[in-house]
Amino acid sequence: EVQLVESGGGLVKPGRSLRLSCTASGFTFGDYAMSWFRQAPGKGLEWVGFIRSRPYGGTTEYAASVRGRFSISRDDSKSIAYLQMNNLKNDDTAVYYCTRRDLSNYDYFDHWGQGTLVTVSS
Amino acid sequence: DIQMTQSPSTLSASVGDRVTITCRASQSISSWLAWYQQKPGKAPKFLIYKASSLESGVPSRFSGSGSGTEFTLTISSLQPDDFATYYCQQYSSLPLTFGGGTKVEIK
Repeated sequence: EVQLVESGGGLVKPGRSLRLSCTASGFTFGDYAMSWFRQAPGKGLEWVGFIRSRPYGGTTEYAASVRGRFSISRDDSKSIAYLQMNNLKNDDTAVYYCTRRDLSNYDYFDHWGQGTLVTVSS
Repeated sequence: DIQMTQSPSTLSASVGDRVTITCRASQSISSWLAWYQQKPGKAPKFLIYKASSLESGVPSRFSGSGSGTEFTLTISSLQPDDFATYYCQQYSSLPLTFGGGTKVEIK
């Protein structure tokens, strides 16, 4: 069974940093691109970014709202994807979801973690 | 960026009703559209890809159609488990974008 478990969320002050982890199991992690989404309280879904699998260069893409502040990385040996969030702003408050991109390499996402809440507030 | 617009934003329906949700793209996205279902406090669940292809395990009462700029998600006979919010997502180009969601409520 595919499982994605996010961790690392919490309360953080504006301007500070936080790193989220996504621990995967039930599939060959290194074969898949991984992506992060977020959902502000009471709002819709927003794509944050993704990291391609190593065979596709392991490169990253980001939404404009986080580019330069957030970075995604992966450790295939541990089946973990990371979201490093720097210079956090109040608007970054959201539930953050880790997802697995479909193996077809088209950008839809067939499995989602349960999410972890990040609250940015002074 | 491609803007995705869903309508209606809220829909009241009864068990057994046929329900249709519309998603419009600000420019042509061919058939590069996915649909997700989200229940309160839960992660989204993937339903449909390439506008009309049903993900394995998704009940056949769900169907998708459309291409270009206009798409629909249809639930042929609404079941109690289907009361949720539905989102469309385009994957024609980056940034990936979602519609604002359609909440399907009990009438």
